[in-house]
Amino acid sequence: DVKVTQSSRYLVKRTGEKVFLECVQDMDHENMFWYRQDPGLGLRLIYFSYDVKMKEKGDIPEGYSVSREKKERFSLILESASTNQTSMYLCASKTGGEGDTEAFFGQGTRLTVV
Amino acid sequence: DQQVKQNSPSLSVQEGRISILNCDYTNSMFDYFLWYKKYPAEGPTFLISISSIKDKNEDGRFTVFLNKSAKHLSLHIVPSQPGDSAVYFCAASDFGNEKLTFGTGTRLTIIP
Repeated sequence: DVKVTQSSRYLVKRTGEKVFLECVQDMDHENMFWYRQDPGLGLRLIYFSYDVKMKEKGDIPEGYSVSREKKERFSLILESASTNQTSMYLCASKTGGEGDTEAFFGQGTRLTVV
Repeated sequence: DQQVKQNSPSLSVQEGRISILNCDYTNSMFDYFLWYKKYPAEGPTFLISISSIKDKNEDGRFTVFLNKSAKHLSLHIVPSQPGDSAVYFCAASDFGNEKLTFGTGTRLTIIP
């Protein structure tokens, strides 16, 4: 089974802190994604990566950056956390170049910024 | 610009009856569609998908229907069970683009 593991289930951070969310997948997938889920807004794509050191902005990249130094690991960075970044963050991975396939999600990180 | 829309935020269905969840999309380049199920405090899990070359795909109690001309898809769950109570998201992608675009979700409640 594909496993996507996010480093924390729950996090509480202070406004202005730099926050790192880590995600690791064990299926050698080329593509990795960061989404946030908010009530009434569904899942919105923040950033995705289609290869090591490659990244593309999603629909809501402002206030975030990402890092992919190794194929299995994709990190989301909140440069200076703000209260409007309180949300559920979801990491996903997906194989690439083989046509239509599903993405596999981690268990999510509930981040609260106070 | 919401390219994938789920216009019903919630739906309640009696146990044993059919649940029908709907999804509309605006991007005619979408050619692959998926449904995910999500429980609180967990990540979404993949349920079923359909390619644009088909109009129906079945997997056990779950069937997805695609109407390309109407840019509409639906998920049918028969019979509905209490464990089906969750939030359901539809998602879409277009050929050559790896990212998935999600709808806003429908909360399904199965009444015992």
